[in-house]
Amino acid sequence: AQKITQTQPGMFVQEKEAVTLDCTYDTSDQSYGLFWYKQPSSGEMIFLIYQGSYDEQNATEGRYSLNFQKARKSANLVISASQLGDSAMYFCAMREGREYGGSQGNLIFGKGTKLSVKP
Amino acid sequence: NAGVTQTPKFRVLKTGQSMTLLCAQDMNHEYMYWYRQDPGMGLRLIHYSVGEGTTAKGEVPDGYNVSRLKKQNFLLGLESAAPSQTSVYFCASSYGRGTEAFFGQGTRLTVV
Repeated sequence: AQKITQTQPGMFVQEKEAVTLDCTYDTSDQSYGLFWYKQPSSGEMIFLIYQGSYDEQNATEGRYSLNFQKARKSANLVISASQLGDSAMYFCAMREGREYGGSQGNLIFGKGTKLSVKP
Repeated sequence: NAGVTQTPKFRVLKTGQSMTLLCAQDMNHEYMYWYRQDPGMGLRLIHYSVGEGTTAKGEVPDGYNVSRLKKQNFLLGLESAAPSQTSVYFCASSYGRGTEAFFGQGTRLTVV
């Protein structure tokens, strides 16, 4: 079963507008972490934002925010005031793991969303 | 800061040849990962390690082996390369379960 689902293979957004990239996840663990990464055309993986399953507040990092809806198992990335440099692939990822002990630590990625920002 | 370094950056192999990809991190991270990235498939986890001397299988482990003899190094081996293993391989490491993973620059492997 797919653990991380990103339903938007590609999206367009006008420069300076906000955009939401969808991510849903599947886990039976109570303790897990959710991550978003950006991969520009140059290929490197850039960490954007993290949300822990016990965090009550939605994570924010500059223009990035994570809309975390635990009951719906969704962790959407919101980019405000899009810039041309935001054009890239965006990956949602999840790390499962028991709170104490255990050896789980795998970090699973979705298939990604290609975001194109139009001038 | 070196961060996560992958060696080599590019490689062409013939079917049936073997090779080892080296990942080295200088951040004293416990967790290390190997992924492959193929068009339209995202990053798929091959193997991972939660500490020195430990390894575990990911989503697509077949045809690969790994070793973590030293904390800072995580090796990915292909014993008998196949064209289906043509891909971009990424190594990553993280300090703990709740922290972000840092990625290497990737290795582009072509098996002909």
